[in-house]
Amino acid sequence: DAGVIQSPRHEVTEMGQEVTLRCKPISGHNSLFWYRQTMMRGLELLIYFNNNVPIDDSGMPEDRFSAKMPNASFSTLKIQPSEPRDSAVYFCASSSPRREQFFGPGTRLTVL
Amino acid sequence: EDQVTQSPEALRLQEGESSSLNCSYTVSGLRGLFWYRQDPGKGPEFLFTLYSAGEEKEKERLKATLTKKESFLHITAPKPEDSATYLCAVRANSGYALNFGKGTSLLVTP
Repeated sequence: DAGVIQSPRHEVTEMGQEVTLRCKPISGHNSLFWYRQTMMRGLELLIYFNNNVPIDDSGMPEDRFSAKMPNASFSTLKIQPSEPRDSAVYFCASSSPRREQFFGPGTRLTVL
Repeated sequence: EDQVTQSPEALRLQEGESSSLNCSYTVSGLRGLFWYRQDPGKGPEFLFTLYSAGEEKEKERLKATLTKKESFLHITAPKPEDSATYLCAVRANSGYALNFGKGTSLLVTP
């Protein structure tokens, strides 16, 4: 199994630009999670999906952030417009119901 | 509110010097305590899940234990390749999400 796949691995953009991060979960997993990791705040859950349906988006910082899961094998996290304080590493993880989560390699986002 | 506190923040060991990392938690109905290892520039890698007080799990030089208020990750005779950040997380009764601690950064020197 290829594991959780994320793209791009690195993204550098300018303030105000739209950023889209992509994730392909492990086949057969029906839960998908988006996290953000910073030195100050550690690993924070942004949103999670179960069977492609958003269950809890209370961790999404503000309306500039949105996430979709159009099918079981693909999810996106979009930031529009991006701001320098959004700079972080964004991880996608997937799991079977109530089992351990498997993380992707992350996308390092830098907003100038 | 669920809380996870890991200590120490950083730990430096000589190769072969055994030690323990601590994870203290408060959660309304524990549905699993998870340990992950994270190497620089990579995503967290799953190590163990513990579900009930008294449970223990082992993998190579690592052993995880669980009580009603905390978990320990014991590292026996560590090697330099054990250097990483170790993350602890809990899942509460309420759902699917994991609440992570900020981690312990472990450095093992030859």
